[in-house]
Amino acid sequence: QEQLVQSGAEVKQPGASVKISCKASGYRFSNYHMHWVRQAPGQGFEWMGIIDRYGGPTKYAQKFQGRVAMTTDTSTNTVFMEVSSLTSDDTAVYFCARERGGTYKFDLWGPGTLVTVSS
Amino acid sequence: QSALTQPRSVSGSPGQSVTISCTGTSSDVGGFNFVSWYQQNPDRAPKLIIYDVSERPSGVPDRFSGSKSGNTASLTISGLQAEDEGDYYCCSFAAGPYVFGIGTKVTVL
Repeated sequence: QEQLVQSGAEVKQPGASVKISCKASGYRFSNYHMHWVRQAPGQGFEWMGIIDRYGGPTKYAQKFQGRVAMTTDTSTNTVFMEVSSLTSDDTAVYFCARERGGTYKFDLWGPGTLVTVSS
Repeated sequence: QSALTQPRSVSGSPGQSVTISCTGTSSDVGGFNFVSWYQQNPDRAPKLIIYDVSERPSGVPDRFSGSKSGNTASLTISGLQAEDEGDYYCCSFAAGPYVFGIGTKVTVL
């Protein structure tokens, strides 16, 4: 069964960092890029960035450049995203979503990880 | 990159058709045939229902259809069913980033 399993909810203080994981199973990991998308409470989706299917090049939304880092552990088929300098505006559910190389669609999403930033 | 414009809500009775519009610019919707649509139910992960403007993934009922004209894409649900209730989001490739719509709540009366 193809699935993405994400790490659990986090509560962080302003100024802290958070690292979320997304473990893929049931499919050939190297066939798919991984994207990260977030959804603030009651809001729509916001694309954050993509990491290449081989864990190489990344591209981040301009808004998050310098504050987001995406990495891959190909030995465990796990993708990570770290967001630093958190503010209350970063309170959101963070989703990983896969894209088969060059198809421009997210055909499988993780369940989401709630990150709450509060003092 | 601004969010794509969608109506906040649409509604219809079972069996009716509803159409959700998604308006962007020539830099996203109008510039690429990489528009996709996602259905999201409360506390669930989004589900892909349309890609490449009008293609349906296997397993998605054919009552879901997509189209595009200029800078506006549309999702039509024909023969509305109770299980179609939820939030629907469009998404477009924008030459690097992706941009999503604000979301439309579909209510089955």
